[in-house]
Amino acid sequence: AQSVAQPEDQVNVAEGNPLTVKCTYSVSGNPYLFWYVQYPNRGLQFLLKYITGDNLVKGSYGFEAEFNKSQTSFHLKKPSALVSDSALYFCAVRDIRSYIPTFGRGTSLIVHP
Amino acid sequence: DTAVSQTPKYLVTQMGNDKSIKCEQNLGHDTMYWYKQDSKKFLKIMFSYNNKELIINETVPNRFSPKSPDKAHLNLHINSLELGDSAVYFCASSQFGQGGAEAFFGQGTRLTVV
Repeated sequence: AQSVAQPEDQVNVAEGNPLTVKCTYSVSGNPYLFWYVQYPNRGLQFLLKYITGDNLVKGSYGFEAEFNKSQTSFHLKKPSALVSDSALYFCAVRDIRSYIPTFGRGTSLIVHP
Repeated sequence: DTAVSQTPKYLVTQMGNDKSIKCEQNLGHDTMYWYKQDSKKFLKIMFSYNNKELIINETVPNRFSPKSPDKAHLNLHINSLELGDSAVYFCASSQFGQGGAEAFFGQGTRLTVV
């Protein structure tokens, strides 16, 4: 079984400040972890993923995420938020033996000017 | 060049009607999915096909029937539409054989049942 939790429905941050969107996961085997972003009335866009190797993963638009196996977390981060980063962010996990990624409930990121 | 395309983008229909949503991917992927996104933005897997074979069929009413004529297409047919079917439906694809490959999503079909 696999599951993912995004404990915050909404994250508010001021433009220029660092941002973190939290994600924790549960899988029976080794995980593949993903972050996606959804802008209003659009489909999900892939941001970054962790497969293996370096725990710090860099992705699109200056985002990065840190895989922490002991805490089963994969938090999304950005050093300096932009108003244009405001969107809905989804964390997803897939056991390496599974066809299907499981998505979290999403976190709405609001970046204030 | 749209990687995963769905048609139509918007669909408004009356209760009891039958409707179809089409999905095509030009990425050469071997796995395709249908997800339902409800009003709270929660994404739920409905179906998944790998190489035209159904591999996942979550708890979905049998009024929903997927059809995969080939690896590039996965269509969704819905019979006897109900108000509760109103949602955004997303098609996605990925290449399962590539370890850790991400899914690519279509732009969604907003279904409104009145």
